[in-house]
Amino acid sequence: AQKITQTQPGMFVQEKEAVTLDCTYDTSDPSYGLFWYKQPSSGEMIFLIYQGSYDQQNATEGRYSLNFQKARKSANLVISASQLGDSAMYFCAMRETNTGNQFYFGTGTSLTVIP
Amino acid sequence: KAGVTQTPRYLIKTRGQQVTLSCSPISGHRSVSWYQQTPGQGLQFLFEYFSETQRNKGNFPGRFSGRQFSNSRSEMNVSTLELGDSALYLCASSLGGRGRLGETQYFGPGTRLLVL
Repeated sequence: AQKITQTQPGMFVQEKEAVTLDCTYDTSDPSYGLFWYKQPSSGEMIFLIYQGSYDQQNATEGRYSLNFQKARKSANLVISASQLGDSAMYFCAMRETNTGNQFYFGTGTSLTVIP
Repeated sequence: KAGVTQTPRYLIKTRGQQVTLSCSPISGHRSVSWYQQTPGQGLQFLFEYFSETQRNKGNFPGRFSGRQFSNSRSEMNVSTLELGDSALYLCASSLGGRGRLGETQYFGPGTRLLVL
């Protein structure tokens, strides 16, 4: 079974609008971390935001927030006030306590911001 | 602080050859992980090195190997290249402490390998 599922291969959003990128995960480990990365066409993965499984509050980093619903095993990324520079691939990833430093990545969502 | 660097950035090889990719982590980081990214398979974990020892390994054939030096720099080697090895190879570094769930992996720009 896939540990991370991203069901939206491609998304479009109007500039200055908000967009939600979906991510669901599968783990039996009670202690895990969830990450979102952005990958522009240049290829480098850029860390955006982190949510721990025991965190009570949803994580926020500037225009990025993570909608964490533990019971549903979802960790959706919300980007507010989209900018043209937000056009990129977005990957959801998970690290489990039991598997050490290994990250499991989803297949990614390609976001295009329309002027 | 300098980021993760990878060399070379681009590489073209032919089937049957071997290739060595290099990764220099962020200063102070002791863990280096390698990932293969292809359009069909996405990002797949190859292996992780910590303090010169392989600490974790993904599901790749033995043609893929790596090592880490005392200065934490890491190399990845692929022998007997196949067409399917064409991919973006990403290296990520982190402090490497176990149990630090929130510890971010910082990625390099990648090496694009094309096998002809």
